[in-house]
Amino acid sequence: AQSVSQHNHHVILSEAASLELGCNYSYGGTVNLFWYVQYPGQHLQLLLKYFSGDPLVKGIKGFEAEFIKSKFSFNLRKPSVQWSDTAEYFCAVISYSSASKIIFGSGTRLSIRP
Amino acid sequence: DTAVSQTPKYLVTQMGNDKSIKCEQNLGHDTMYWYKQDSKKFLKIMFSYNNKELIINETVPNRFSPKSPDKAHLNLHINSLELGDSAVYFCASSQEGQGNTEAFFGQGTRLTVV
Repeated sequence: AQSVSQHNHHVILSEAASLELGCNYSYGGTVNLFWYVQYPGQHLQLLLKYFSGDPLVKGIKGFEAEFIKSKFSFNLRKPSVQWSDTAEYFCAVISYSSASKIIFGSGTRLSIRP
Repeated sequence: DTAVSQTPKYLVTQMGNDKSIKCEQNLGHDTMYWYKQDSKKFLKIMFSYNNKELIINETVPNRFSPKSPDKAHLNLHINSLELGDSAVYFCASSQEGQGNTEAFFGQGTRLTVV
């Protein structure tokens, strides 16, 4: 079955620490990949996206993600987190063969200690 | 201007009632979605419409009935509300096509059934 896995359920870091959140998917074929962020009490906002080309994509607020096709992974990274990065992070996938169906991972809660 | 707008933002109602949530997008997209986010933040797709036609119905109870009067609107009507329907419901839209598809989300409707 098609799925998206985020292995880190809750990550707690101190400010200035480096961040990497894992995301793996099980779709075959061509996919588009996304990371969304949901700040407390708010809606989902797009952090970054991969459609094609350079597998290392840069997003807003200093986030980046690397698409590794051989590993079916799209991990999110940030070299130095801030307290304001406290939020829920969702990886999402849409495959060309199942258009109209964006599937989300279960989310990773990121808590930053000031 | 809000790209994807939902009303109401909060909805508190008693079990057994019927309620509707409205969604409108002004992005010119041809695909709209309803997602349910439970208390554990898990996002599950409920419905997807493309140009007013139902594309995806993900094993949602038939008490939930989406209606799309035109491609800019996708409303969600819920009959005989149950306690388990309490959640945050997100509307989203995207432009269908081969790739380059990202979803834009509304602010969410927090439904509380008492």
